[in-house]
Order: sequence, then C-alpha cells, then structure tokens
Amino acid sequence: DQQVKQNSPSLSVQEGRISILNCDYTNSMFDYFLWYKKYPAEGPTFLISISSIKDKNEDGRFTVFLNKSAKHLSLHIVPSQPGDSAVYFCAAQYNNNDMRFGAGTRLTVKP
Amino acid sequence: KAGVTQTPRYLIKTRGQQVTLSCSPISGHRSVSWYQQTPGQGLQFLFEYFSETQRNKGNFPGRFSGRQFSNSRSEMNVSTLELGDSALYLCASGKTGGAEKLFFGSGTQLSVL
Repeated sequence: DQQVKQNSPSLSVQEGRISILNCDYTNSMFDYFLWYKKYPAEGPTFLISISSIKDKNEDGRFTVFLNKSAKHLSLHIVPSQPGDSAVYFCAAQYNNNDMRFGAGTRLTVKP
Repeated sequence: KAGVTQTPRYLIKTRGQQVTLSCSPISGHRSVSWYQQTPGQGLQFLFEYFSETQRNKGNFPGRFSGRQFSNSRSEMNVSTLELGDSALYLCASGKTGGAEKLFFGSGTQLSVL
C-alpha cells in the first residue's frame, strides 16, 4: 500500500527559478513529514522536516508547506541551483512506526 | 562523529544463494531500519530494530530477516535469492526510531544473477 505518493517522477527547471516538488499521503495518522535528497550511489540525506502542528517550515532556500486537510505537502526550492539536481524523496511517520517514503522525484536544474 | 556504515558496498550473488548485509549505526543510536530501493519503487521498508527487538516489519516475504546486536549493529539476511532481489539496500539509524530524522548509509548494491 502506497501511503505516500509522489506522482511526478521527474521535474526540470531553469537555474534561478523555483522548483516545486509535491507529495500526497493517505494515512491521516502521519504527524511528521520529511524531505530527503539522494544522489546516485549514495544514501539519502535529510533536507528538511515539518511537524503536523505547523503548516510551513523554512530553511534557507528550502521551504516545506503542509496542507493537512488536503493531505498534501510540497517542497519549494528558491532559487534552484544545478547542484540541487538529485532525486527527492518525501517521507512520513507517526509515533514509533516505520517511516514511509514516496517513489521519489528526479529534479534536474539546467544552467 | 562517524556516520552509518554499511558493508559490503557491492555484492554479486546467484539465484538460490543467501546473503548477509551489515550495518553499523551512528554511535548512540539505538534504532536501525532497513530499506530496499529499486528503480521506480522508491524506498520500501523492510524492518526496524530498536534495542535488539524488531519493532516494525514491512511487507516482505520471510526470506528477508534481520537482527540487531547489543552494540546496535544490525545485520540483514536474504535467503534463497531471486533475480527480483537485485536492489540497493539501505540502512538508516535514529536515536529513538520515533518522529525524528533518520541518517542513511551509502547502501549495499546487491546484484542477483
């Protein structure tokens, strides 16, 4: 059962523009959400997270938005840089249960 | 502080064989989770161990098993390998396994021929 969904397998944006990556979830019990970034042949690295009591969390160029009623979250990267090109995974968790990941979105930032 | 260490980095096996993968979590972390990554499937959760006990388990057949030792190091075993088991196996560690970020190792790339 795919409780966390990333419906866009890929996204291409121009350097300097905004990148918006989307994620939907089905389990209303999830109360902690994260974004991970992954380069080829490396493990995912943590990028940013948000608790369900918030609707926005910002860290430098990265902002995560959470819409609980729509069960939707998004990651905004502004401005996008070529080094941001990677696969981005959305993840969700609640209590001590396992962390569930989406299928990932491959972001390509063109110079 | 050393990160999550996974060994071996690459592994080639044939169908029917078994394999054991190893993971050393970050010092002080007591939770270890295992994930399988295949193209287009994202990270599929295998199981999670906390203080030597399996606390959560994903939807994988019984051929996939694991354990955790008293020093929090973990091993994952796959018996009777199938071609479809070819994947990147990732280990992640966390302090409590609760609502927290996980730290991933670089993974073990398993190829089953």
